[in-house]
Amino acid sequence: AQKITQTQPGMFVQEKEAVTLDCTYDTSDPSYGLFWYKQPSSGEMIFLIYQGSYDQQNATEGRYSLNFQKARKSANLVISASQLGDSAMYFCAMREAPWDGGGADGLTFGKGTHLIIQP
Amino acid sequence: DAGVIQSPRHEVTEMGQEVTLRCKPISGHDYLFWYRQTMMRGLELLIYFNNNVPIDDSGMPEDRFSAKMPNASFSTLKIQPSEPRDSAVYFCASSLVHPEGPEAFFGQGTRLTVV
Repeated sequence: AQKITQTQPGMFVQEKEAVTLDCTYDTSDPSYGLFWYKQPSSGEMIFLIYQGSYDQQNATEGRYSLNFQKARKSANLVISASQLGDSAMYFCAMREAPWDGGGADGLTFGKGTHLIIQP
Repeated sequence: DAGVIQSPRHEVTEMGQEVTLRCKPISGHDYLFWYRQTMMRGLELLIYFNNNVPIDDSGMPEDRFSAKMPNASFSTLKIQPSEPRDSAVYFCASSLVHPEGPEAFFGQGTRLTVV
């Protein structure tokens, strides 16, 4: 079963607009983490933001915020004031992990969203 | 820290040859992952280690693939014999497991082409 679903294969957005990239996940584990990564055309995987399943507040990192809706099992990435340099593939990922020291899984990735920022 | 270091960055080899990809994780990280990225299948987790011990290799596609982690600072992914369908970008990543910082940091990747 697919654990991470990203329903937007591609998006075109005007520069300076806000962008929301969708991500839904599936897990029965109460302890997990949700992540977003950016992959520009150069190919490297860049970590953007992390949300833990027990975190009460939505994570924020500069222009990035994660809209975490636990009951709906969604973890959308919001990019405020988009820039041309934001054009890239964006991947949502999940990791099931008991933070109390037990074994953790690897990160499972969605198929990605190709975001293109237009001037 | 220099981050996760992979070598080589590019590898072109002929079908049937042995290929070895190398990875140096971030010092102090206790998890190491090998991923493969293709257009068709996206990012696939091949295998991961915890404290140098392989934990889950269910993503390794065939017996032609093997991975080792002889110590905390080095891992290899070997393909023998290689086939054209193995052409992909192979990423190594490392992480801690900590509630405040469980993200994985990726190397630059190795672009493998098997002709």
